[in-house]
Amino acid sequence: GENVEQHPSTLSVQEGDSAVIKCTYSDSASNYFPWYKQELGKRPQLIIDIRSNVGEKKDQRIAVTLNKTAKHFSLHITETQPEDSAVYFCAASRGKVNNDMRFGAGTRLTVKP
Amino acid sequence: GAVVSQHPSWVICKSGTSVKIECRSLDFQATTMFWYRQFPKQSLMLMATSNEGSKATYEQGVEKDKFLINHASLTLSTLTVTSAHPEDSSFYICSAPVPANYGYTFGSGTRLTVV
Repeated sequence: GENVEQHPSTLSVQEGDSAVIKCTYSDSASNYFPWYKQELGKRPQLIIDIRSNVGEKKDQRIAVTLNKTAKHFSLHITETQPEDSAVYFCAASRGKVNNDMRFGAGTRLTVKP
Repeated sequence: GAVVSQHPSWVICKSGTSVKIECRSLDFQATTMFWYRQFPKQSLMLMATSNEGSKATYEQGVEKDKFLINHASLTLSTLTVTSAHPEDSSFYICSAPVPANYGYTFGSGTRLTVV
């Protein structure tokens, strides 16, 4: 089955700096890679996703890059703000209706004002 | 659109009792529902996959007799934690694939505390 590894487990940055979180996956058939932000006790919130037919996707301060050959993808947050502080999870899925989604271990991001 | 309603949001039960958690798709048909468990400061771990009209598929290490899953209709999947023990205390959350989309929608989660 799919195995997703995520690094770092914790990340502390100064407000305004960039933050990068990296994930690798094992299943070459995976073709959908979402990133979630989770507040304590709440459901994960999708912040950006990418499919395997593109190498990069950007949405304002958030971008995701995908390297299918190396089987890794990264989340980039620029101009970080204190409200970006949360736990972020990457995930991978084959993207079909009956295929499950596996999560990375999570990264606790702290943005210091 | 593509909303999954999960109930209860939190529950406290005595050790040895059973607890049922419901996930209902409100505006779409969920032929598949994924059940995850999340311990404090940890990731979401897939427990099982339920499919409407057939038996659930359990991940390695998850006791199917303890975590009963029923997916009797296209809009309702339930997880019953039987003979709950304090170590079952966790955040349980369901997720369904969104039709015609690569995405997934999550329930709001259930915080289970067994005392």
